[in-house]
This record gives sequence, C-alpha cells and structure tokens, in this order.
Amino acid sequence: QKEVEQDPGPLSVPEGAIVSLNCTYSNSAFQYFMWYRQYSRKGPELLMYTYSSGNKEDGRFTAQVDKSSKYISLFIRDSQPSDSATYLCAMSDDTGNQFYFGTGTSLTVIP
Amino acid sequence: DVKVTQSSRYLVKRTGEKVFLECVQDMDHENMFWYRQDPGLGLRLIYFSYDVKMKEKGDIPEGYSVSREKKERFSLILESASTNQTSMYLCASSTLILRGTPGETQYFGPGTRLLVL
Repeated sequence: QKEVEQDPGPLSVPEGAIVSLNCTYSNSAFQYFMWYRQYSRKGPELLMYTYSSGNKEDGRFTAQVDKSSKYISLFIRDSQPSDSATYLCAMSDDTGNQFYFGTGTSLTVIP
Repeated sequence: DVKVTQSSRYLVKRTGEKVFLECVQDMDHENMFWYRQDPGLGLRLIYFSYDVKMKEKGDIPEGYSVSREKKERFSLILESASTNQTSMYLCASSTLILRGTPGETQYFGPGTRLLVL
C-alpha cells in the first residue's frame, strides 16, 4: 500500500466552478500536509501547508486536514483557467527528513 | 523570498556520459533532496542529505551518486548516463525539524529536464 494515494484525474471543470482535490494516507505520524501546484514543465510550487489538523484558507484556496480519517482536501473556489495545472499533495512527519507525495491530479479549467 | 536554483533547465547527453546536476539553496536549510519525476510514477526520491557530507539513499538510488560539500549545494551525479534516466530531475530543500513554524516546509527548484540519447 502506498503511503499517499491521490486520484490522478484528469479533472476538467468550467471556469467559476468549485474544485475539490483529495488525498488519503496511511501513516498516522504525518503532521505536516502540503499542496503543491505544478505547471507543465516547471517545478512544484508550494501552494499551502497545514500543521496537524484543521482548515486553512488563503484567498480562493482552502486546505482541510482530517487526521481521524487520514484524509486531506484542497478546495479551489471560483476556478480560473490559470489554475490549470497538476496539484500534488505531500506529507511529512515532524522530522522533515522524508516527504511523501501523491502522484498528482491534473486539473483543466475551461474558459 | 525562498530560492532553490538548478544549474540547467534542459540537458541533452549521450549514453555513457557522466552527468552533473547542481542545486543551490539560499535558505540555510539543513535538508536537501533529489527527486525524479516521471509520468504516472509521480515524484521518486533518489537521495537526500541532512548535513554537509552526509547522504542517505532514497527509493531509487541505483545509477546515481550525490555530493554535499557545502550546506547550500547538493549535486546529483549520473556516473554513466543511460536512456532510462531520461526524466525531470527536481531538487528540494527543507529545515531539519518541522515545528509548524511558517516557512518550515519543502521548497523545490525549477527542475532539469534531462534527455539521454
């Protein structure tokens, strides 16, 4: 079983839609949860991170962590064509020595 | 502004050549990582280093070696490049211990697309 599972998509939505991206994990020691956005042929760019459980909001983006279910989500409100990218979830325990990644979900927002 | 830079964005090499990929970070991070990213396989850890002159094998170290002579610089070496090493190579860095303090997470460089012919 992989440490982190993420539906690869692809996901295609109309502009203005609410997008929900999700990952599940198996290691209860994970405390740090990250979402990266990766445009084609570029390196991953840190979008949001949360420590332990709870929600975090930044503009149109909301990250949620449910440690009891080992489930994390990224919501994008009022999606824009510029949001078209691959979204990677990542997790780590407190050591910071290892980061575990999902395989990424490809998102296309259609104008 | 945090910054991880990689020496080349695109590289074309021939089978059997020795290849050096350089990564530099300016955040005084202790940890540095090398990943490769392939379609359908996601990010796979090749090596990481938690201190100068220290290195640890990741999930796929075969065919690669690394060097960390200075804290800010982490090099990936392909001793004898092969076609199955054609990939996107990503360097990243992070602090040693994650305490939940803002900014303590992993940052990536722009990537090097390597083509081995």
